[in-house]
Amino acid sequence: DTAVSQTPKYLVTQMGNDKSIKCEQNLGHDTMYWYKQDSKKFLKIMFSYNNKELIINETVPNRFSPKSPDKAHLNLHINSLELGDSAVYFCASSHRQFEAFFGQGTRLTVV
Amino acid sequence: GQQLNQSPQSMFIQEGEDVSMNCTSSSIFNTWLWYKQEPGEGPVLLIALYKAGELTSNGRLTAQFGITRKDSFLNISASIPSDVGIYFCAGQGGSEKLVFGKGTKLTVNP
Repeated sequence: DTAVSQTPKYLVTQMGNDKSIKCEQNLGHDTMYWYKQDSKKFLKIMFSYNNKELIINETVPNRFSPKSPDKAHLNLHINSLELGDSAVYFCASSHRQFEAFFGQGTRLTVV
Repeated sequence: GQQLNQSPQSMFIQEGEDVSMNCTSSSIFNTWLWYKQEPGEGPVLLIALYKAGELTSNGRLTAQFGITRKDSFLNISASIPSDVGIYFCAGQGGSEKLVFGKGTKLTVNP
């Protein structure tokens, strides 16, 4: 009965590769997010979707492309991975405004 | 853009002690949230605050929405070892997004 689930939990890949992270929520929430947490634990929003529509797109390289096939899913595709992309990526969702429920995170390591 | 100053950065306390941490902002916020993150997990929402002056409890945790709307406090009473983790404040002001503080790392010695 996981609320926000994302896969994979760990991802190790070489520079230049393209990878995707998948996220699904079964809470019936309208809004989904992608956050990035750096090595100093700083959390920063990357994208936000409401009912499949992009509403927040922070200053993120356009190598990062979110895709929301439906309200319950928000995937993150990353092209041409760079060393600096190594971080933990969190998917989250919310119903009541801004009370975000987070997934367990995907630790991405680019080598 | 909006920024939050969270302090202290880290705390080392003995089991049974009370803990206080706070967040301040240079701009007004409409919503304050407090999260806890344990190693290898995502942040978990502890308390949400929506009105200036609001004081809300969740077990041994109490949080307050500052009257100026520029700060918030989290107190933990009678700490126990499972309180260890990183506590984040988060706020929402005029924009559609949550801004997070840099976290307070709590260590509780049994």
